[in-house]
Amino acid sequence: AQTVTQSQPEMSVQEAETVTLSCTYDTSESDYYLFWYKQPPSRQMILVIRQEAYKQQNATENRFSVNFQKAAKSFSLKISDSQLGDAAMYFCAYRISQGGSEKLVFGKGTKLTVNP
Amino acid sequence: NAGVTQTPKFQVLKTGQSMTLQCAQDMNHEYMSWYRQDPGMGLRLIHYSVGAGITDQGEVPNGYNVSRSTTEDFPLRLLSAAPSQTSVYFCASSYRTSNEQYFGPGTRLTVT
Repeated sequence: AQTVTQSQPEMSVQEAETVTLSCTYDTSESDYYLFWYKQPPSRQMILVIRQEAYKQQNATENRFSVNFQKAAKSFSLKISDSQLGDAAMYFCAYRISQGGSEKLVFGKGTKLTVNP
Repeated sequence: NAGVTQTPKFQVLKTGQSMTLQCAQDMNHEYMSWYRQDPGMGLRLIHYSVGAGITDQGEVPNGYNVSRSTTEDFPLRLLSAAPSQTSVYFCASSYRTSNEQYFGPGTRLTVT
């Protein structure tokens, strides 16, 4: 069974500092995608960043970057120069494609607090 | 494009009542899915569809029915609501070969 584990239920960071959110996953697939989604208090799910498993280069989107370690099945998110607007729940997700279907498996989330 | 829309935003039901959560997308996406979000549980897949006329079960399908008569619409039906179905429900869609799902704004359902 595919699982996604986020070991940090809550994290906090000072404004302008850097924080790293952890995610590990379990899969027997060789071709898959990994995502980080942000959910602010508005409840809307917003894609932050994605990583294709076949790419060795870590994905980067402005202040957000990932550390993708395929052999270790680890996919951490680094937020640089943290801003108050980064405060949200962050979910790591893994997408599998099997038999024509596509499924997203989510971790339980990490609540990020940004302190001014 | 309106993206993915869900109605209603909030709903309160009594145990045993039935209702349908509506979901529509205008992006011509083949793949649509329903998730429920409970505190401390992340999002869990209820049902999904890979195209009109094709649906399948996800991780937590019991108590829910779906159908997909058109590409645009993917309603979720609760035939006999139970307090355990109190949750926030999200609909999402994507292209079959896309690596991003687009989420609706969610429906907060309370069953008393």
